[in-house]
Amino acid sequence: DQQVKQNSPSLSVQEGRISILNCDYTNSMFDYFLWYKKYPAEGPTFLISISSIKDKNEDGRFTVFLNKSAKHLSLHIVPSQPGDSAVYFCAAMYSGNTPLVFGKGTRLSVIA
Amino acid sequence: DAGVTQSPTHLIKTRGQQVTLRCSPKSGHDTVSWYQQALGQGPQFIFQYYEEEERQRGNFPDRFSGHQFPNYSSELNVNALLLGDSALYLCASSPGGGSYGYTFGSGTRLTVV
Repeated sequence: DQQVKQNSPSLSVQEGRISILNCDYTNSMFDYFLWYKKYPAEGPTFLISISSIKDKNEDGRFTVFLNKSAKHLSLHIVPSQPGDSAVYFCAAMYSGNTPLVFGKGTRLSVIA
Repeated sequence: DAGVTQSPTHLIKTRGQQVTLRCSPKSGHDTVSWYQQALGQGPQFIFQYYEEEERQRGNFPDRFSGHQFPNYSSELNVNALLLGDSALYLCASSPGGGSYGYTFGSGTRLTVV
């Protein structure tokens, strides 16, 4: 019973174009959503987050959109760069210091 | 400023053995959480320690146990290892008091043969 779902195992995008990674969740009690980036042989690195009271958060090339009615969030990367190639995990929390609930991840490949 | 450090990096154990993994949290963090990431899966929450006590626990059997020391470092112990325990074990630390800011270590790759 997966509460956070990333239905695309992989995504390939050309350098300079937009990357859109999607995430769906089932539990409306989630209060906070986060995106982590993971390179091989490293731990997940925090990328960007959004509170359930917002619908958009931007940080440089990265923007996260939240649609609460659809229980859907997406991460936009513009423009995509080869260094963005990694596995991206969507995660959700009920409140502060509660466990992270992760999706299975999407492997992004940015082709030069 | 050192982040979260985990040891060892890699470990090979035989089925039925016991293993101990170690984690030192980021400076200023007092809460430590452990996650298991199986191949092709997202990290799964094992348990969280705060003030030397297990505060929350995920859906893992009692073979998985832990400890937190007064300096906030933590250990994860797994008894009676199964082949299915082969995974990347991640430690994450955070400041207490309702923080959303988890910092992860690079993990320990455990292989059970």
